[in-house]
Amino acid sequence: QKEVEQDPGPLSVPEGAIVSLNCTYSNSAFQYFMWYRQYSRKGPELLMYTYSSGNKEDGRFTAQVDKSSKYISLFIRDSQPSDSATYLCAMSGVLTGGGNKLTFGTGTQLKVEL
Amino acid sequence: EAQVTQNPRYLITVTGKKLTVTCSQNMNHEYMSWYRQDPGLGLRQIYYSMNVEVTDKGDVPEGYKVSRKEKRNFPLILESPSPNQTSLYFCASSPRLRGNTEAFFGQGTRLTVV
Repeated sequence: QKEVEQDPGPLSVPEGAIVSLNCTYSNSAFQYFMWYRQYSRKGPELLMYTYSSGNKEDGRFTAQVDKSSKYISLFIRDSQPSDSATYLCAMSGVLTGGGNKLTFGTGTQLKVEL
Repeated sequence: EAQVTQNPRYLITVTGKKLTVTCSQNMNHEYMSWYRQDPGLGLRQIYYSMNVEVTDKGDVPEGYKVSRKEKRNFPLILESPSPNQTSLYFCASSPRLRGNTEAFFGQGTRLTVV
């Protein structure tokens, strides 16, 4: 069983829709939860970051973490064609000696259509 | 501009011919790592480095070598590439803060081994 599970999609939605992307995980040691966005032929870039349980909002994006259920979500409101990308969830545990290791989900491919 | 630079972006090589993929960052980050990205498997860490002359294996280190002689550079070496190393490779860097989560990724190197 993978440490992080993510539905690969693809997910196709009309412009303006609310999008919900989700990941589940099994490692209780994960403390930091992130969403990365990856456009085609580009490297991933950090979109949202949350520590422990709770919600975080940034413009049209809301990240939620439920540590009791080991479940994280990313909501995109008023989705735009420019949101079309692959969304990767990532989780961080602490390495011995400091620093962090990121464990990624496989990514969900999102297409927002006009 | 803060960035992680990988070279080359695309590479086709033959089995057994040694190759090096370079990675350089200009943000004075201490932590650097290499990932490979494969369909259905997501991003998997190959090697990481906490600082100069400090490197360690990630999840899939077999067939790869790294070195960290300078803070800004972290080359990935394939001594004898094989077709199963055909993949999309990303270098990433982040500040060495406990729990820090923002990894900056390069643009990727698409490697094909024939």
